[in-house]
Amino acid sequence: KAGVTQTPRYLIKTRGQQVTLSCSPISGHRSVSWYQQTPGQGLQFLFEYFSETQRNKGNFPGRFSGRQFSNSRSEMNVSTLELGDSALYLCASSGDEDYGYTFGSGTRLTVV
Amino acid sequence: TQLLEQSPQFLSIQEGENLTVYCNSSSVFSSLQWYRQEPGEGPVLLVTVVTGGEVKKLKRLTFQFGDARKDSSLHITAAQTGDTGLYLCAGAKETDSWGKLQFGAGTQVVVTP
Repeated sequence: KAGVTQTPRYLIKTRGQQVTLSCSPISGHRSVSWYQQTPGQGLQFLFEYFSETQRNKGNFPGRFSGRQFSNSRSEMNVSTLELGDSALYLCASSGDEDYGYTFGSGTRLTVV
Repeated sequence: TQLLEQSPQFLSIQEGENLTVYCNSSSVFSSLQWYRQEPGEGPVLLVTVVTGGEVKKLKRLTFQFGDARKDSSLHITAAQTGDTGLYLCAGAKETDSWGKLQFGAGTQVVVTP
């Protein structure tokens, strides 16, 4: 079966701009989570969506937001980009009660 | 401060040797997972353990979940160059839903021929 697809793979943005990242989960998976990975902080949880509802949220500023559509596809948006937002953004999906997540290859965001 | 502390941070061994990576916390986890990540890619799930004291074997990899569900270990027997990668432990705290994973900082394993 197809894996988790994230688009785009690479993105370069300027400070102050906004960006939208997309994630298509494995077919049938209703839980989608987003993580930020940086060399200094490692993998940090952003938020989790389940059946179009945000179920969990990490400790990130309000500039980070997300949503999930009825087909389980998810988007995350970062507004007013800062240099520190440069990171690999990972999306992961899971079936009900699987306890394990399948990650996409990520979107590498560089803010200049 | 990471909720899950992994040790060591870096491990370099030769092919055929054994290695163990540890993942410790003061919090109780309802489940704990191990992932391996290659450069530029997302983590790949290796195993999930959910019961205290549980031991799971995946070919040359052995995973153990502590009795109190606060710690875990990953043991690789007769390491191969293909085992090279960043090993990450991750868990869902007992007080959180299973969708909110806390990750350790990772252990970089390098296996040389």
